[in-house]
Amino acid sequence: QKEVEQDPGPLSVPEGAIVSLNCTYSNSAFQYFMWYRQYSRKGPELLMYTYSSGNKEDGRFTAQVDKSSKYISLFIRDSQPSDSATYLCAPTTGNQFYFGTGTSLTVIP
Amino acid sequence: DAGVIQSPRHEVTEMGQEVTLRCKPISGHNSLFWYRQTMMRGLELLIYFNNNVPIDDSGMPEDRFSAKMPNASFSTLKIQPSEPRDSAVYFCASSLVGNEAFFGQGTRLTVV
Repeated sequence: QKEVEQDPGPLSVPEGAIVSLNCTYSNSAFQYFMWYRQYSRKGPELLMYTYSSGNKEDGRFTAQVDKSSKYISLFIRDSQPSDSATYLCAPTTGNQFYFGTGTSLTVIP
Repeated sequence: DAGVIQSPRHEVTEMGQEVTLRCKPISGHNSLFWYRQTMMRGLELLIYFNNNVPIDDSGMPEDRFSAKMPNASFSTLKIQPSEPRDSAVYFCASSLVGNEAFFGQGTRLTVV
């Protein structure tokens, strides 16, 4: 079993839609839960992160972690064409990052 | 800081040739990671260093791959001999332990 499972998509939504991206993981030692965004032909960049269970909101983005079910979510409200990218979840022990395969998102104007 | 700097950005080489990828991490960071990204397998960790010491190289596919970090400001990933299945984008990332990883722009390797 892989450390992190993520649906690769692709996911295509109309502008203004609410997007839900999800990952599951198997390692109970993960402490931090990060979301990276990767534009085409670029390196991944940190979007946001949470520590342990709960929600964290940053503008149109909300990251959610449920450690009891080992489930990680990223919600995007009022999606914009500029949100079109690949989103990678990355739980970490603090020393090592374990990336999901990424979900490709396209927001159609 | 200019961020993590990788070179070259693109590399096309013939099967059997030696390939060397280079990385300059962000100054002050004490962890360095080499990843390989393909459509099929996503982002795979090859090796990571902490304070210039290799900590986990279990992701290195085989003996054809080797990585070094002779000092805190430089690392190399070498493939010898290269094969077509090594074609991928190779990323270097650096971090302070417990903090986010910053990625370079990647090296797109094509082995023909």
